[in-house]
Amino acid sequence: DTEVTQTPKHLVMGMTNKKSLKCEQHMGHRAMYWYKQKAKKPPELMFVYSYEKLSINESVPSRFSPECPNSSLLNLHLHALQPEDSALYLCASSPPGSEGETQYFGPGTRLLVL
Amino acid sequence: AQSVTQLDSQVPVFEEAPVELRCNYSSSVSVYLFWYVQYPNQGLQLLLKYLSGSTLVKGINGFEAEFNKSQTSFHLRKPSVHISDTAEYFCAVTLGGGKLIFGQGTELSVKP
Repeated sequence: DTEVTQTPKHLVMGMTNKKSLKCEQHMGHRAMYWYKQKAKKPPELMFVYSYEKLSINESVPSRFSPECPNSSLLNLHLHALQPEDSALYLCASSPPGSEGETQYFGPGTRLLVL
Repeated sequence: AQSVTQLDSQVPVFEEAPVELRCNYSSSVSVYLFWYVQYPNQGLQLLLKYLSGSTLVKGINGFEAEFNKSQTSFHLRKPSVHISDTAEYFCAVTLGGGKLIFGQGTELSVKP
């Protein structure tokens, strides 16, 4: 089973709102990722968690705040977003060991900031 | 620095015809290579990967790719496409450590 789930599927929020995106996997993967994807573009890496510790932050603005409460769950907290933050947000995970470079993606959350 | 070039931004093809989507990468060291497919309004699905071993890699949905180290290429092929193969295809490379570098994508459009 190579399933990564993300909720919600769609989210509309105002620039003063606070919301959270959730990502879950039950495959025993120990690395989890957040990506942002604009239309007709490839995904851009935002954050990487390895064994529940933040290992990569790609200079993402502080209005995006990641959290990894346990090895199966990854959250992205959103606050005071801008309209240009509207995008598809993708979560991915990868297994430990020799297959650790293979990332499996979830279906994404489509975010619209008004 | 690594980079990935997908040589065609759009590839139109008729149903049941063969297709090749081209991908070149730049790296002076060993890399891991991937092809992902993204159907409209969906996430990315792993088609196939090259980590080591045989240079001809078979994936899902009848796709295959060949790793060519001397030409730094990893082209994706399918002998006969279906309408359902219409999607965006991304080639990606990593040296390790969690950073996947994606190409700009190739839009495959299969026409009846």
